[in-house]
Amino acid sequence: AQSVTQPDIHITVSEGASLELRCNYSYGATPYLFWYVQSPGQGLQLLLKYFSGDTLVQGIKGFEAEFKRSQSSFNLRKPSVHWSDAAEYFCAVQGGSEKLVFGKGTKLTVNP
Amino acid sequence: GAVVSQHPSWVICKSGTSVKIECRSLDFQATTMFWYRQFPKQSLMLMATSNEGSKATYEQGVEKDKFLINHASLTLSTLTVTSAHPEDSSFYICSAPTRTSGSNIQYFGAGTRLSVL
Repeated sequence: AQSVTQPDIHITVSEGASLELRCNYSYGATPYLFWYVQSPGQGLQLLLKYFSGDTLVQGIKGFEAEFKRSQSSFNLRKPSVHWSDAAEYFCAVQGGSEKLVFGKGTKLTVNP
Repeated sequence: GAVVSQHPSWVICKSGTSVKIECRSLDFQATTMFWYRQFPKQSLMLMATSNEGSKATYEQGVEKDKFLINHASLTLSTLTVTSAHPEDSSFYICSAPTRTSGSNIQYFGAGTRLSVL
C-alpha cells in the first residue's frame, strides 16, 4: 500500500525567503503525486501534480516541485514566500486506484 | 479547474439528530466521489467512495450505518450522519475526480464543519 511522509510538521520562514517542503512517498511503481494547500476552515486547492515526463513541475502561485525517483521524494519549493502563502500543505500519492493517500501535512507560518 | 460545491459549510445539531451534507460537481460529471474526515490539525482520512448508481465502498473502521452515502446522480453525492453524537463533530470534505488522458485529478469541496451538541 502507498504511504506519504511529510517530515516537517511546522515550518516558519520570513517573507521573501525561499521555501522547501519535504515529501517522501512509498509505492511500488511510478505514482501520481500531488501537492494541495489548505487555508484554515477551507477545502483543498491543487497546487501542482506529477504524472509522468519532466520531473520538475510548475504549479500555481509560483510553486514548483521536483520528482526524484531515486529518493522517492516530491519536494515542494518556492523561491520567495509571500505572507498569503501561510497555510497547511499536503502531499498526496495516488496509486492503482483513484484513492488519494495524504501525508500528515506541514503547517507554514510566514513572518513579516 | 473544475468546481466542487459542498453544502452546508457549517452545521450545528443536537445529539441524536441526523445531518445531511451535499457534494456537487458543478461543471463536470462524476461517477465517483470521495468523502473524507479531518480532525483538527490532522490530515484527511478517507471514509468512503461514493459510486453513482450503486453502493458506496467504505474504508475499514467506518460505520456504514452511521455514515449513509447516496450518489443518485452524476453530479450529486450526499453524506448523512445519522444519530449524530459529539464524537462525530469534525470537518467533512468531499472530492470528485476529473479524468484526463487516463489519469485523474481530484477537486475538493470547501468542507463542512459539523458540531454536535
